Amino acid sequence: QSVLTQPPSVSGAPGQTVTISCTGSSSNIGAAYDVHWYQQVPGTAPKLLIYANSDRPSGVPDRFSGSRSGTSASLAITGLQTEDEAQYYCQSYDSGLSGAVFGGGTKLTVL
Amino acid sequence: EVQLVESGGGLEQPGGSLRLSCAASGFTFSSYEMIWVRQAPGKGLEWVSYISSVGNTVSYADSVKGRFTISRVNTKNSLYLQMTSLRGEDTAVYYCARVSDSNYFFDYWGQGTLVSVSS
Repeated sequence: QSVLTQPPSVSGAPGQTVTISCTGSSSNIGAAYDVHWYQQVPGTAPKLLIYANSDRPSGVPDRFSGSRSGTSASLAITGLQTEDEAQYYCQSYDSGLSGAVFGGGTKLTVL
Repeated sequence: EVQLVESGGGLEQPGGSLRLSCAASGFTFSSYEMIWVRQAPGKGLEWVSYISSVGNTVSYADSVKGRFTISRVNTKNSLYLQMTSLRGEDTAVYYCARVSDSNYFFDYWGQGTLVSVSS
């Protein structure tokens, strides 16, 4: 059971928009700790996708965007492409656990 | 170019020990906090341990506290994870990652090293 809750899977057709939610609690996201997102293609290491809720590292397309509100955050992917098929993880800090916490991951399927 | 290369994984029996290493290059290693994250087969990411840039502050997930020890040697640009009293549930790919200097996120990851615990 992950501290942050994500839907196990989402799907969409090429060109469509999907949103992945990440729900936490008062000791992590609700405590105003930033949320970060990672993309993991099977067999490879996670890659930083979004940091500090909504910022993109250089090289990440602006089709990827993030937001945070209250005890939740979300990742939106617009103009879906087949290469977006991957596992997506949210991450924050938890003051009760004194460490990083991850969501359980969401598998994105591009139909 | 930032590079993190893990090594030291392998097959170990329950109760055994392993020492993982992470060789860093392409950045000033001594200026960055570092972490270990693991991923059990078919499962999600789990934070394992954290170490400050100079090594004087460490923290562990409850699942490994008392069994794992994180350390670093800045003169060798190396990060370590000493794992003892290994259990089957420690079976995972172990990643080292760099902690961003501006927030608690992980901007560079190694390729991972597989630890299998089985008799």
